[in-house]
Amino acid sequence: QVQLQESGPGLVKASETLSLTCTVSSDSISNYHWNWIRQPPGKGLEWIGHINNSGNTDYNPSLKSRVTISIDTSKNQFSLKLSSVTAADTAVYYCARAVTIFGVVGVFDYWGQGTLVTVSS
Amino acid sequence: DIQMTQSPSSLSASVGDRVTITCRASQSISSSLNWYQQKPGKAPNLLIFAASSLQSGVPSRFSGSGSGTTFTLTISSLQPEDFATYHCQQSYISPRTFGQGTKLEI
Repeated sequence: QVQLQESGPGLVKASETLSLTCTVSSDSISNYHWNWIRQPPGKGLEWIGHINNSGNTDYNPSLKSRVTISIDTSKNQFSLKLSSVTAADTAVYYCARAVTIFGVVGVFDYWGQGTLVTVSS
Repeated sequence: DIQMTQSPSSLSASVGDRVTITCRASQSISSSLNWYQQKPGKAPNLLIFAASSLQSGVPSRFSGSGSGTTFTLTISSLQPEDFATYHCQQSYISPRTFGQGTKLEI
């Protein structure tokens, strides 16, 4: 059973950088694509981006200028940095594994429990 | 970006009912459509992938269909644990996008 666990500050000041880490257990991080997805309170889900074990990334264009996703395969961890945050970045942040189905990457089969990050002014 | 639109946004039903939720894509996504169930305070859980394939461990009362731009999720006989929010998501092209969600209430 694959388990993912997000960690990081629950409160970030506006204009600063949000930093989260996802630790993957019971599976090697050297396969699959590893994702960050967020959900503002009471709203829908937004895909932020992903990384694979080779360090190749893909980001949502709406956030691309502020996002960096990195990976540390030796620790089975991947991380998210989101810079210049505003109140609009307040959300539950999930890490998730994506599998490739019929040649298409992006089926999210395992998720972390999520962590609420609040941006304060 | 591909826009995903779900209908209805909310739905009231009873245990034993058959319910259908529709998801429409702003352009063709072939069969690259996935469905998730989310309960309050929990992460989404994959139900259906590639439009109609049931994820392992998901009850057979859940089914999916469609291709191109129109897809449906059907629950054949609602159980108490099925009252939740359902999200569709396209994996056809980046950025992956989700529908706004359908809240299924008693």
